[in-house]
Amino acid sequence: GENVEQHPSTLSVQEGDSAVIKCTYSDSASNYFPWYKQELGKRPQLIIDIRSNVGEKKDQRIAVTLNKTAKHFSLHITETQPEDSAVYFCAATDTGFQKLVFGTGTRLLVSP
Amino acid sequence: KAGVTQTPRYLIKTRGQQVTLSCSPISGHRSVSWYQQTPGQGLQFLFEYFSETQRNKGNFPGRFSGRQFSNSRSEMNVSTLELGDSALYLCASIGTRGTGELFFGEGSRLTVL
Repeated sequence: GENVEQHPSTLSVQEGDSAVIKCTYSDSASNYFPWYKQELGKRPQLIIDIRSNVGEKKDQRIAVTLNKTAKHFSLHITETQPEDSAVYFCAATDTGFQKLVFGTGTRLLVSP
Repeated sequence: KAGVTQTPRYLIKTRGQQVTLSCSPISGHRSVSWYQQTPGQGLQFLFEYFSETQRNKGNFPGRFSGRQFSNSRSEMNVSTLELGDSALYLCASIGTRGTGELFFGEGSRLTVL
């Protein structure tokens, strides 16, 4: 089955800096890669996703890149703000988005 | 439109007991997935139901079970509780438009003493 590794586990940046979170997956058949943000005490929420037929997707300050050959994908947040502080989870699936395999999460702390 | 509702939000049980958690998906959503969230393991997939049928199952022991009713509400049950079952149990529903987005509930936090 699929296995997803996520790094780093914690990331501290200054406001305005960029942040990059990286994930690798094991199953070359995986075709859907979402990113979820979970603020403290709240539910995870989808922030961006990418499918295997696309190499990059951008939404304002957030972008995701996918390298199918290397089997890794990354989340890029530019011009970070304190409200970006949260735990970010990457995920992958080869069996449909009803069954996601999540990474272990990255705690991002943005200091003013 | 109401979101995903989970009950109870918090509960404390002792080892050996059993627990039942409930999840009401967003109206019109027919797929419900369950995840276990623990600090070191992230979110781990338990199972997924669609139209009262379990379509997918994760790698959890048989003590973990679930079901879905005709109104799409779902329950999960954990029998013979162990200390390691302490976790936040999240349920998520998926719409029928096929966008892939999981809409999570706020979770049920289970503490096993």
